[in-house]
Amino acid sequence: EVQLVESGGGLAQPGGSLRLSCAASGFTFGDYTMNWVRQAPGKGLEWLSSISSTSGNIYYGDSVRGRFTISRNNAKNSLYLQMNSLTAEDTAVYYCARTSRYFDYWGQGTPLTVSS
Amino acid sequence: EIVMTQSPATLSLSPGERATLSCRASQSVSSNLAWYQQKPGQVPRLLIYGASTRATGFPARFSGSGSGTEFTLTISSLQSEDFAVYYCHQYNDWPRTFGQGTKVEIK
Repeated sequence: EVQLVESGGGLAQPGGSLRLSCAASGFTFGDYTMNWVRQAPGKGLEWLSSISSTSGNIYYGDSVRGRFTISRNNAKNSLYLQMNSLTAEDTAVYYCARTSRYFDYWGQGTPLTVSS
Repeated sequence: EIVMTQSPATLSLSPGERATLSCRASQSVSSNLAWYQQKPGQVPRLLIYGASTRATGFPARFSGSGSGTEFTLTISSLQSEDFAVYYCHQYNDWPRTFGQGTKVEIK
């Protein structure tokens, strides 16, 4: 069974940093592109970033480019999102999602609140 | 960036009725279009990919159609468990983008 479990969310200060993690199991992690998608309270889905299976191709959405960094460790079956220069607009539930071009499996999400 | 526009924003229907949701892309995405279902407090769940292929676990009352810039999700006869928000998503180009969602609510 495919499982994706995010962690690392919580409360962060404006201008602060936080690192999210996503632990994967139930599939060959190193074979898949992985993604981060977020959902602000009461809002829709926003794709943030994708990283290919070998980290050779990385993409970012405009709202996070230059502030967030996606990475992965295939030996540890883990995906990461380093988030810097956080603002209130980054308050959301952050999901990791596996890609088979489309997002076929999603984690349960980890909530982040950015507030002083 | 490819903008995905869904209509209507809210669809108020009764159980047993037919639901027709639309998704329009600002430029062609070929058939690289997926639909997701999200119930309150739950994680989005893949419903349709390749514009018309139903994902595992969804019944045949759900169907997707279209290509290029115009897509439709049809629920032939709404069941109580189908009331949710539905998002379209294009994976033809970067950045990946979603529509703003259509909420299917009980009338």
